[in-house]
Amino acid sequence: GIQVEQSPPDLILQEGANSTLRCNFSDSVNNLQWFHQNPWGQLINLFYIPSGTKQNGRLSATTVATERYSLLYISSSQTTDSGVYFCAVGGYSSASKIIFGSGTRLSIRP
Amino acid sequence: KAGVTQTPRYLIKTRGQQVTLSCSPISGHRSVSWYQQTPGQGLQFLFEYFSETQRNKGNFPGRFSGRQFSNSRSEMNVSTLELGDSALYLCASSPQGSGGELFFGEGSRLTVL
Repeated sequence: GIQVEQSPPDLILQEGANSTLRCNFSDSVNNLQWFHQNPWGQLINLFYIPSGTKQNGRLSATTVATERYSLLYISSSQTTDSGVYFCAVGGYSSASKIIFGSGTRLSIRP
Repeated sequence: KAGVTQTPRYLIKTRGQQVTLSCSPISGHRSVSWYQQTPGQGLQFLFEYFSETQRNKGNFPGRFSGRQFSNSRSEMNVSTLELGDSALYLCASSPQGSGGELFFGEGSRLTVL
């Protein structure tokens, strides 16, 4: 099955800094999403981005499908950005399962 | 539009018991999938249902089962609970399933004593 690796595993930044989170995957995908897990455990949708670039306020994401990676950018970080960020991918087969990366734990210090 | 609703949110069971968790998808969504999250194993896919049919299954023992009803609501059941089944169980709905965007509920946190 598809392997998903996220880096870095942990990231500590000062408020106002910018950050880049990476998601590498081992095979072609037709589904790639970025999530932020809130303190209560819910996965909040950030981007559905199997290819291309999207932006939403201070957040943006780029997926380069041919090179099998996706990047999540957070600019001007705020303490509320703290938490764990996951990418999840799915392949083209109807039998393909959604595979989650192990996450990046982001801590923003005031 | 209401989001994905999972019940119960928290529950405590003892080893050997069984548990049933419920998930109501977003209106109009026909696919429901389930995931287990533990500190040691991360987020793992359990199974996916589409139009009342199990379309995909993860690598979990037969004690884990599920079903989907005609109104797209889904339940998952875990029988003969083990301590290692303590986890956050997350349900997601999607308009079309494979390749579609997932929308998650708040989860059901199960503790097995």
